[in-house]
Formats: sequence, C-alpha cells, structure tokens
Amino acid sequence: SQQGEEDPQALSIQEGENATMNCSYKTSINNLQWYRQNSGRGLVHLILIRSNEREKHSGRLRVTLDTSKKSSSLLITASRAADTASYFCATDAARSARQLTFGSGTQLTVLP
Amino acid sequence: DTEVTQTPKHLVMGMTNKKSLKCEQHMGHRAMYWYKQKAKKPPELMFVYSYEKLSINESVPSRFSPECPNSSLLNLHLHALQPEDSALYLCASSQVDMGFTYNEQFFGPGTRLTVL
Repeated sequence: SQQGEEDPQALSIQEGENATMNCSYKTSINNLQWYRQNSGRGLVHLILIRSNEREKHSGRLRVTLDTSKKSSSLLITASRAADTASYFCATDAARSARQLTFGSGTQLTVLP
Repeated sequence: DTEVTQTPKHLVMGMTNKKSLKCEQHMGHRAMYWYKQKAKKPPELMFVYSYEKLSINESVPSRFSPECPNSSLLNLHLHALQPEDSALYLCASSQVDMGFTYNEQFFGPGTRLTVL
C-alpha cells in the first residue's frame, strides 16, 4: 500500500500563477522529500524536509510539514511552462529508513 | 560527476528471453536501488543494495534477479518475464547516513521495457 497520497491528482494553471500540491502519509517518518518527473524520464530531487522542521524554502519552492496531521504541501511560486511535470512526495517510515515510498503524484500543467 | 546512467534506454524482449539492465554511478554512493514504474503511477521500490549487499527485496518475483558487482554498478537480470512486467525501470543511488535517515536519491533516466 502507498504511504503517501497526493492531491490534486492533476492541476492546470496559467504561467505566473502559484501551484500548491498536498501530500498525506500514514506512519511516522524521518523526513519527507519532493521529487519532480518529466514525462517518461527519471526523477529529480527538489527538496527534503526533516520531521523536526516545519517549513523549508528553495528558490521558488516552499515546503511545509505538519507531522501532527501527517501532511505536507509543496508550493511553486510564479510558475513557468517548464514546471510542467509530475510531482511526487516521498517518505521513509521511521522504522525502515532504507525504504522510500512515493505518493500517488500530482500532474502539473502550466499553460503559457 | 552527479549522474546516474542506465542502459539500454529501451528494451523489447520476448517472454523466453534473458536480458540485463545496467546502472552506473560514480558519486561514491553506497546505496543503490531498483524501482518499477507503470504509466501514470508512482515508482515502486523493488530492491535496495547497501554497501553492495542486498538489504531490501520487496517480494519481487524471482524472474527479476539483482546484482551489485561493485559499489558503482547495479544490474537487474531479467528472465521469463510476463507482458505485465512492461514498465519503466528506474535506478537510483544515495549516500548512506550513519543515522539511517535518508539522503536524497539520484535517479537515472530509466529503461523503458516492453515484454511481448
């Protein structure tokens, strides 16, 4: 079974708008990561937030983590057409740190 | 070199064939992974190697046989596959943290496998 579920499944926005994706998970974690995948390609790591952190920024990305709600959000500000991709959250369960489980993913389309 | 390479990019094989997928990294990472990804689905972990030893096998059928000949290479040997095994096979690597907390994983571009 999947550790993480994401919503929305698909998101379509205009260039320049902000995009927010949410991830929920079920068990205690060590950290949560976000990855991006362009169609049919490998995944690219975007950002990692540890379980004792609440918010993290990297360029146009802002990630929040609420361990009490077992949820995270990824905000992409001032989106660009090149941001069009699938975005996955990934967690490692605290008892099994060698196993990374990916959420169901959000397909983001940024229209020029 | 911060790249994970995978060969071949595409592979078409019959159900009776034997083939191998290869993965290589030169980042000094001591953990390497195989994932399987079906269309419009997230990657699913198949195997984890840590210090060249198999540490996780996610109940993968024996027709998939991993091998880690050294710290830079990871192979996935395929034999008697089924059409439902058609997927994108991704290799990844990461540093191993002494505290077991995960570092980021670096992914290769994948091998698109089609089983006829």
